[in-house]
Amino acid sequence: QKEVEQNSGPLSVPEGAIASLNCTYSDRVSQSFFWYRQYSGKSPELIMSIYSNGDKEDGRFTAQLNKASQYVSLLIRDSQPSDSATYLCAVESGGSYIPTFGRGTSLIVHP
Amino acid sequence: DTAVSQTPKYLVTQMGNDKSIKCEQNLGHDTMYWYKQDSKKFLKIMFSYNNKELIINETVPNRFSPKSPDKAHLNLHINSLELGDSAVYFCASSQDPLRGVNEQFFGPGTRLTVL
Repeated sequence: QKEVEQNSGPLSVPEGAIASLNCTYSDRVSQSFFWYRQYSGKSPELIMSIYSNGDKEDGRFTAQLNKASQYVSLLIRDSQPSDSATYLCAVESGGSYIPTFGRGTSLIVHP
Repeated sequence: DTAVSQTPKYLVTQMGNDKSIKCEQNLGHDTMYWYKQDSKKFLKIMFSYNNKELIINETVPNRFSPKSPDKAHLNLHINSLELGDSAVYFCASSQDPLRGVNEQFFGPGTRLTVL
């Protein structure tokens, strides 16, 4: 059974701080990794995808992947109240078509 | 110019009824999905179609039947609705998962309430 684990939170950070969201996965052959943001009452939207070990930066967001340790993380720099949402980690084995989602981490950025 | 659309947005119905949810995508993607998100916000895949062909059918009661008339549409029909079917149902599409391009684009969701 493929599992994707996330701390449900809430993770509370002050405005302007770095928010660090973590995700671990059980399937060693996983190849594709995604972070989605879901505002309350809305649908998930893709923030970043990462496929190889290391860091990938996009604006204030950085995804970090460590396949040996089977974790992927998302850093949000200069956190804003508008970043308050649930962040879903999704992991997929190559060619499986099936992304497995974690339960999400609730992030609260307070002014 | 919504990328993935679903109708209806809200659906309130009695136990035992049959209902359908429609989904359309205008992204030109080959693959479409249905997900169920329960009250605990857990997002679980139900079905996936690639070019109108069923490729994923997770453990879902056979009261749920997807239909894909063409690759831009994937509808979900639910027979004999039960209380436990109450959830938010999301349609999604992705470009080319077989080649690793599997970023999911989600529709706005359909909130189903069974009374």
